[in-house]
Amino acid sequence: HITLKESGPTLVKPTQTLTLTCTFSGFSLIASGAGVGWIRQPPGKALEWLALVYWDDNKRYSPSLKSRLTITKDTSKNQVVLTMTNMDPVDTATYYCAHNYDIFNYFDFWGQGTRVTVSS
Amino acid sequence: QSALTQPASVSGSPGQSITISCTGTSSDVGGYTYVSWYQQHPGKAPKLMIYDVNNRPSGVSNRFSGSKSGNTASLTISGLQAEDEADYYCSSYSPSSTQYVFGTGTKVTVL
Repeated sequence: HITLKESGPTLVKPTQTLTLTCTFSGFSLIASGAGVGWIRQPPGKALEWLALVYWDDNKRYSPSLKSRLTITKDTSKNQVVLTMTNMDPVDTATYYCAHNYDIFNYFDFWGQGTRVTVSS
Repeated sequence: QSALTQPASVSGSPGQSITISCTGTSSDVGGYTYVSWYQQHPGKAPKLMIYDVNNRPSGVSNRFSGSKSGNTASLTISGLQAEDEADYYCSSYSPSSTQYVFGTGTKVTVL
C-alpha cells in the first residue's frame, strides 16, 4: 500500500528558498525503477510537472524551472526533498509529490498536497 | 514544452457520454503512447484514471476509456454519473526529452 505525504512551510517570503519534503511508504527508492516526482497547482489553475528523481539518482527537471529546482532523495528516511530558490508570489500553489516508475511513465499514487503561499 | 490543450469545460446529462480532447504535438502526444489522464475533485489530489493511452488501473470504472489519433488524445466517459463531476487533466511523457507535460484541464459538469 503506497502512501506519500508532503510537508513544509505554508508561508514563505519573496526571494526566499522553499524546501518541501515528501515522506513515503509502501515502496523503496532503492528498488529498481522506483521514482518520486513533484507537481504543483496554482489556485484555480492546471497541474505543472516540476521534477523527478529515480532510484538510481537520475534526475529530471522542468526546463522552465530547472535553474531554481533541486531534487534529492534520502533512502534511509524514505524521503524526497525539493528545494526551489528565489520564490515569487506566482509560485503560490499546492505542491504534490507522486510515485512514478521509470518504465510506466505516469504518476499512480499521489500525496494529499501541501499549500504554499508566497507573500511578504 | 507547452501545456497540452484541453477544452475548458464539457458537460453532459446523467447517462450520456462525453469526450474530452487533449492536443499536443508530434514530440509528445503524437509521438508516443505515454498519455495518461487524471481526475481531480475539488480540494483533492489527482487520481490516475487512464495510462498508456487506453489502460485503466485496477479499480477504475470501465465507463472511462481512452484513445489517441495523431497529436490528439481523448478521454471518454460513458454513462455519465454525478460523481464524475470533476476536473480532468491529460499528461504526456516524452522519452526524447525525458519531460512530463500536463494539459490545461477540463471541468466536467453533470447537468
